[in-house]
Amino acid sequence: DGGITQSPKYLFRKEGQNVTLSCEQNLNHDAMYWYRQDPGQGLRLIYYSQIVNDFQKGDIAEGYSVSREKKESFPLTVTSAQKNPTAFYLCASSIVKGQANYGYTFGSGTRLTVV
Amino acid sequence: SQQGEEDPQALSIQEGENATMNCSYKTSINNLQWYRQNSGRGLVHLILIRSNEREKHSGRLRVTLDTSKKSSSLLITASRAADTASYFCATDWKGGGNKLTFGTGTQLKVEL
Repeated sequence: DGGITQSPKYLFRKEGQNVTLSCEQNLNHDAMYWYRQDPGQGLRLIYYSQIVNDFQKGDIAEGYSVSREKKESFPLTVTSAQKNPTAFYLCASSIVKGQANYGYTFGSGTRLTVV
Repeated sequence: SQQGEEDPQALSIQEGENATMNCSYKTSINNLQWYRQNSGRGLVHLILIRSNEREKHSGRLRVTLDTSKKSSSLLITASRAADTASYFCATDWKGGGNKLTFGTGTQLKVEL
């Protein structure tokens, strides 16, 4: 079955620690995205990538970093510079077809908690 | 921010009733999409309506789009307890670079 897999499902981070969230897709989608979800605020875009070895900052990139070395993988690192990292993180992918987006496929999310 | 807003923030109805939720956005769009999210899970794509369309149906879902008012509505007819979830609109806005901007969501609760 084609899909997008996020791991781990739950992650606990100590103060000052970097953690990496995994996102893998086997849909052959060119574009991948990371969103952060906080209660009552909807989804906010952290980073996105439309092609291997290239990525762009979203609306709230500070304190986060990404890489896109393979088409299938788009890991997100939450660095110690991110002051309020506790949130639900969602990875998504989509095809790239001209200038329009025709829909995302989402992973099941990673819940990150600072302890 | 290009983020849209949804109304109401929360909606509670009885099974069998219709549920209507609204979405407003700020800029010209290529299309508008609706997603569903069950608690603690990822979002699932429900339906897409293009900027040149006014209405679209899919099963018990009906979506309308008014580009002059920059608004859309999602109607779920004959709701079921299994429809309990959060619903988000997302806009693919022109010049947005192939990425979606999500609204704040409507939490729907369908009671037996």
